[in-house]
Amino acid sequence: GAGVSQSPRYKVAKRGQDVALRCDPISGHVSLFWYQQALGQGPEFLTYFQNEAQLDKSGLPSDRFFAERPEGSVSTLKIQRTQQEDSAVYLCASSQVAGVLDTQYFGPGTRLTVL
Amino acid sequence: LAKTTQPISMDSYEGQEVNITCSHNNIATNDYITWYQQFPSQGPRFIIQGYKTKVTNEVASLFIPADRKSSTLSLPRVSLSDTAVYYCLVYSWGKLQFGAGTQVVVTP
Repeated sequence: GAGVSQSPRYKVAKRGQDVALRCDPISGHVSLFWYQQALGQGPEFLTYFQNEAQLDKSGLPSDRFFAERPEGSVSTLKIQRTQQEDSAVYLCASSQVAGVLDTQYFGPGTRLTVL
Repeated sequence: LAKTTQPISMDSYEGQEVNITCSHNNIATNDYITWYQQFPSQGPRFIIQGYKTKVTNEVASLFIPADRKSSTLSLPRVSLSDTAVYYCLVYSWGKLQFGAGTQVVVTP
């Protein structure tokens, strides 16, 4: 079956613009994660959903970052008033069961460049 | 906050065994240790997961000592296609933490 997909793959934004990044998890997967990966670094946790419930958003760096998963499948990460420090690859992952300990399946990421 | 540390890079020749150790001093009692592989412009890909002692699958082995404060990923007989960045992931103190990654370069 299809894996995790993300769109767009690349996004260039001018500083101050809003962006929306989409994640399509593996069908039926309960858990969904967002990570931010800066160049040369490991992924940094942003937020976690169990179905439509956002159970952990402790990693979101500021109130400019907002994530949703309204129907428990597709998720959107929105960044308002983008700043240059937001430039990174944003990774989405899903896992089959509830909780954070199960194997995560990652999408290819969205590379965001803020000019 | 606990820190997950691993070597920045490792070089190897084809056919050799590569061992990468990750330190995770404050891993949660019931947490698994998971290793991922990442190629450029791709998301991380699951390699292996374990809780204690030793786990082996078709691509790697994972060794975890009794105190679980570290883990070692072992890649037997690496090939050129194993050139990638390898990350350990633990759940520690309520946080999912990836290490900074180990760049493994395999040469002929």
